[in-house]
Amino acid sequence: DTAVSQTPKYLVTQMGNDKSIKCEQNLGHDTMYWYKQDSKKFLKIMFSYNNKELIINETVPNRFSPKSPDKAHLNLHINSLELGDSAVYFCASSPPGLAGYEQYFGPGTRLTVT
Amino acid sequence: RKEVEQDPGPFNVPEGATVAFNCTYSNSASQSFFWYRQDCRKEPKLLMSVYSSGNEDGRFTAQLNRASQYISLLIRDSKLSDSATYLCVVNRPGNTPLVFGKGTRLSVIA
Repeated sequence: DTAVSQTPKYLVTQMGNDKSIKCEQNLGHDTMYWYKQDSKKFLKIMFSYNNKELIINETVPNRFSPKSPDKAHLNLHINSLELGDSAVYFCASSPPGLAGYEQYFGPGTRLTVT
Repeated sequence: RKEVEQDPGPFNVPEGATVAFNCTYSNSASQSFFWYRQDCRKEPKLLMSVYSSGNEDGRFTAQLNRASQYISLLIRDSKLSDSATYLCVVNRPGNTPLVFGKGTRLSVIA
């Protein structure tokens, strides 16, 4: 009965590889997000989707490409991984409306690039 | 000036103490305010919303001062289980997501 789930939980990979992180929510929310939390613990928005449509794309390298096959899923694909991509990536969702009200976070994916 | 700034912490307090966290935000048009809690190696979770008139939830009291663009969280009778990082969160006007502060770390010591 997990509300927001992410896979994998841990991901260790080498520079230059391409990897994907998957996110699913069963809350019936329309809006989903990807956040990056770096080693300094700063949580920063990367992307926001509403009903499968991209609505927010913060300053993120185009090596990062989100995909939303339906409103319950938001995946993140990362090409040509770099050392600086090492971080915890959180998926989140929020109820209908774009005002960014209470957000429900997934458990996070800890990405380590070596 | 950062959009959301918080006390850097860490705060190390004994059980039973009262502790207060402060937060300032830069965008005067912000309308929604929250405190989230993040345990070590876990995801952030909503602790409480912050209303203009101030609000209380058990041992936790949140206050908002729009004139000073200041938010506070007061925890009374601290428990060991309150040890976590507390994130001040503010919305930007329009269709934009929430902005998270860097967080203040609290350690409650027996």
